[in-house]
Amino acid sequence: GQNIDQPTEMTATEGAIVQINCTYQTSGFNGLFWYQQHAGEAPTFLSYNVLDGLEEKGRFSSFLSRSKGYSYLLLKELQMKDSASYLCAVMDSNYQLIWGAGTKLIIKP
Amino acid sequence: GAVVSQHPSWVICKSGTSVKIECRSLDFQATTMFWYRQFPKQSLMLMATSNEGSKATYEQGVEKDKFLINHASLTLSTLTVTSAHPEDSSFYICSAREGLADSGKLFFGSGTQLSVL
Repeated sequence: GQNIDQPTEMTATEGAIVQINCTYQTSGFNGLFWYQQHAGEAPTFLSYNVLDGLEEKGRFSSFLSRSKGYSYLLLKELQMKDSASYLCAVMDSNYQLIWGAGTKLIIKP
Repeated sequence: GAVVSQHPSWVICKSGTSVKIECRSLDFQATTMFWYRQFPKQSLMLMATSNEGSKATYEQGVEKDKFLINHASLTLSTLTVTSAHPEDSSFYICSAREGLADSGKLFFGSGTQLSVL
């Protein structure tokens, strides 16, 4: 079966760095996405990785290793507004998005 | 970026009534839209894929006669929850792809919180 694993919850301190991991097992691979979702709101797109390596976009970076079925989202210089759930999603061979359960990130002052 | 408008944002209704939720792509044409539901503290669950001009494709376990989807134009898809019951209370979110079918970048509507009394 298809499976996306990510931690349920993480806590970090304002100004620090946090890494949210995502491992996946899917039938085929056409890219991995990270979305941010604040409570009561719809998800917003953060990043897309289809090749191995690190993609940097401001304070957020996303890494992919296809051979390991592994990705992480790295958030630097954490701000209180970064408190949200972070969803990992993989596009399988049928171009269907398989969603992880999300990681709730709590930022403390 | 592309904008997807969804309304209403929230609705409270009596058990047994029907509720219609609209999803519009404002500045692009969306041949495919997706409907999700999300329970508190859980991830998105795909309900159905809505294709313009054809019948929707429902995920396993989703009752097509209860959740009616209509995608009459390239910019509008609607989800009607028929004869709603309290267990249908949930956060419903639509999304659309801009561009090619292999583009996984989705633009989401703002979601509809449905509460059935």
